[in-house]
Amino acid sequence: NAGVTQTPKFRVLKTGQSMTLLCAQDMNHEYMYWYRQDPGMGLRLIHYSVGEGTTAKGEVPDGYNVSRIKKQNFLLGLESAAPSQTSVYFCASTMGGSSTDTQYFGPGTRLTVL
Amino acid sequence: GQNIDQPTEMTATEGAIVQINCTYQTSGFNGLFWYQQHAGEAPTFLSYNVLDGLEEKGRFSSVLSRSKGYSYLLLKELQMKDSASYLCAVMDSNYQLIWGAGTKLIIKP
Repeated sequence: NAGVTQTPKFRVLKTGQSMTLLCAQDMNHEYMYWYRQDPGMGLRLIHYSVGEGTTAKGEVPDGYNVSRIKKQNFLLGLESAAPSQTSVYFCASTMGGSSTDTQYFGPGTRLTVL
Repeated sequence: GQNIDQPTEMTATEGAIVQINCTYQTSGFNGLFWYQQHAGEAPTFLSYNVLDGLEEKGRFSSVLSRSKGYSYLLLKELQMKDSASYLCAVMDSNYQLIWGAGTKLIIKP
């Protein structure tokens, strides 16, 4: 049982390049989330999904797109990377959306945009 | 707006007790979470409070006062491995987590 995995672990992009971050979970969780973590700030929600085929915007969705084609996978895309998107990106999942559901996090992707 | 406040950094001595405070102002309240995050790693769940009072898990305890918009995490018998950031998060009326910036705890021998 691997839990939540993310690929890649590190990436350096040039401004304007595109990339996709992959999150996978093997816990049969319905809900999945993408956060970014920046120094001195709390985790900020980018997009989330409440089930296969559904996505919704979080607090900071601009510049990102997501897809949830398969229940176990949640993809985060950057179409045209900007230096402001330099951050650590965490994926998380929960069984459902109730208040008692713990979020399980992946190990993170460290992205630098030059 | 929604706001979670925690001290940026705290220092404590191995074997001692430390209290990390969290105050919050959110649109609605559906529970408060504490997570631990070691440097370069993912956050991991520590505790959850939804009613006023104390939740204990081994050396770690969390207390919530909804009327004061306040919680604290109490760590006893500190060990070097407790050096980490401690994140406070509140679930708002939309069942989304609002996160504090975290408190970096430094343990000295």
